[in-house]
Amino acid sequence: GENVEQHPSTLSVQEGDSAVIKCTYSDSASNYFPWYKQELGKRPQLIIDIRSNVGEKKDQRIAVTLNKTAKHFSLHITETQPEDSAVYFCAATGLSGSARQLTFGSGTQLTVLP
Amino acid sequence: EAGVAQSPRYKIIEKRQSVAFWCNPISGHATLYWYQQILGQGPKLLIQFQNNGVVDDSQLPKDRFSAERLKGVDSTLKIQPAKLEDSAVYLCASTPGDTQYFGPGTRLTVL
Repeated sequence: GENVEQHPSTLSVQEGDSAVIKCTYSDSASNYFPWYKQELGKRPQLIIDIRSNVGEKKDQRIAVTLNKTAKHFSLHITETQPEDSAVYFCAATGLSGSARQLTFGSGTQLTVLP
Repeated sequence: EAGVAQSPRYKIIEKRQSVAFWCNPISGHATLYWYQQILGQGPKLLIQFQNNGVVDDSQLPKDRFSAERLKGVDSTLKIQPAKLEDSAVYLCASTPGDTQYFGPGTRLTVL
């Protein structure tokens, strides 16, 4: 099955700086890569996603890049704000039998220091 | 559009007791997932439904966990008997395709 590794596990940045979180995946057939933000005690919320036919996608201060050859993808947050503080999870969609499923990374605790 | 609903939000039980969680997915979403999220970890898939049929339950501890999705809409997840290591947040998600939308989860504490 799919295996997703995520680094770093914790990340502290100063407000206004950029943050980068990296993930690798194992299944070359995976073709959908979402990123979720989870604030303490709340549900994971999709913040951006990318499909394997695209190398980069941006949405305001958030961008995701995908390198299919190397099987890794990254989340970039620019001009970080205190409200960006949360746990971020990457995920990859692969096939388990006939079922499309998400395999999640272990999460990155991002802290934006004012 | 209403989101995924789950209840209860919190549950505290003693080990060896039973517990049930309920999920109402977004209307029209055929696929429903149950995940277990242990503190400090990413969600781990327990079971996947397509309409009212089980697509994958390979990671469900079937000696104590069971789930059903009657009529292809609401779903329930049951644990009987509960163990200390079942303490976690149980998340339900639904999807019309690839993007999964999560409910608020049920935080289970087993004492």
